[in-house]
Amino acid sequence: GAVVSQHPSWVICKSGTSVKIECRSLDFQATTMFWYRQFPKQSLMLMATSNEGSKATYEQGVEKDKFLINHASLTLSTLTVTSAHPEDSSFYICSATGNAIYEQYFGPGTRLTVT
Amino acid sequence: DAKTTQPNSMESNEEEPVHLPCNHSTISGTDYIHWYRQLPSQGPEYVIHGLTSNVNNRMASLAIAEDRKSSTLILHRATLRDAAVYYCILSDSWGKFQFGAGTQVVVTP
Repeated sequence: GAVVSQHPSWVICKSGTSVKIECRSLDFQATTMFWYRQFPKQSLMLMATSNEGSKATYEQGVEKDKFLINHASLTLSTLTVTSAHPEDSSFYICSATGNAIYEQYFGPGTRLTVT
Repeated sequence: DAKTTQPNSMESNEEEPVHLPCNHSTISGTDYIHWYRQLPSQGPEYVIHGLTSNVNNRMASLAIAEDRKSSTLILHRATLRDAAVYYCILSDSWGKFQFGAGTQVVVTP
């Protein structure tokens, strides 16, 4: 099956610094990648949709200047949390679709803790 | 956006079937119905998906109501490894997923 990886799996950073999270499709070309955020005991919340070579489309309420998304190739998308604060601490999950847009393959997630 | 409604939790005995209901009364004609499950601190895992007809795979079965306003995920013989949060999700024509709150499935030996 299709595999999506994320790096790092967990990261701790200090308040005010920036953190980059990578999402890679390992064995297929991802036309679209999605970024989600999940707080403890809650469901996944879609943050943004990114297509290779295009600007990301952000969901309502998500600050595009704070959560920078780059989708430079068909196998890599990155999410940069700029000037992170403790309230940004969360579980960030990416997913990717191939030719069939109704199939999403999820990464294992990245646990971000901002101190 | 179309939304899904699921019970908060369901409990089952090991080796018995589990029927997980999902209501999606505002579903549109092109929305797919997906089921994923998630273990703590892991990404969601694909279970099954369908559009109009019932679907079967090695993990589960998906029964879709004729009017598509509800569906039921069926785990035929629950095992301890099936304990997870199960999400019923609709995807629109752009492939965007809208997650509901999910159902926590508890399997007792």
